[in-house]
Amino acid sequence: DTAVSQTPKYLVTQMGNDKSIKCEQNLGHDTMYWYKQDSKKFLKIMFSYNNKELIINETVPNRFSPKSPDKAHLNLHINSLELGDSAVYFCASSQKQGRGSTDTQYFGPGTRLTVL
Amino acid sequence: AQSVSQHNHHVILSEAASLELGCNYSYGGTVNLFWYVQYPGQHLQLLLKYFSGDPLVKGIKGFEAEFIKSKFSFNLRKPSVQWSDTAEYFCAVNRKSSYKLIFGSGTRLLVRP
Repeated sequence: DTAVSQTPKYLVTQMGNDKSIKCEQNLGHDTMYWYKQDSKKFLKIMFSYNNKELIINETVPNRFSPKSPDKAHLNLHINSLELGDSAVYFCASSQKQGRGSTDTQYFGPGTRLTVL
Repeated sequence: AQSVSQHNHHVILSEAASLELGCNYSYGGTVNLFWYVQYPGQHLQLLLKYFSGDPLVKGIKGFEAEFIKSKFSFNLRKPSVQWSDTAEYFCAVNRKSSYKLIFGSGTRLLVRP
């Protein structure tokens, strides 16, 4: 009964390739997020979707494109991978709390991306 | 811009020692406050959170945190740590009007048996 799941757990690929990471949540939440955790463990939000609508889009290269087919899924597609994209990517979800705010975010297990 | 500071980057303690990890945030409005823990090789798990009410919040595994609004702080405490508390601890803040959760840089805790 995994709450937030991600696939794959590990992804090793060559520079220049295109890859996707999938995220699914079964908590019934309406907001989902992608975070990047770098080698120093620093966590930074990349994107957020609320009911399939993009609500947060941080300063992320446009090689990164999130896609939300429904409110339970938020996938991350990365084009032309670069060495600097190597990191752990975490998906999270939360329930909307009032207007413009959100309750606790629950995180997935992470996807460790290594670009060679 | 809103920011979260965790001043202790690495903390080493012996078992049974008391723990206090500092967290300060820069935003002056109404906020939600969180502490997450990341055990080695695992995902982030919520330890505790503060939304409103009693500023002393109790979480899982014997952790607690105190929100001091005048100091913009939300320090994490545990009276007696165990070896199994070895992990990375993250403080996080979001404005009540925002979906965006801002994380501190994390504190790596090593508890020696």
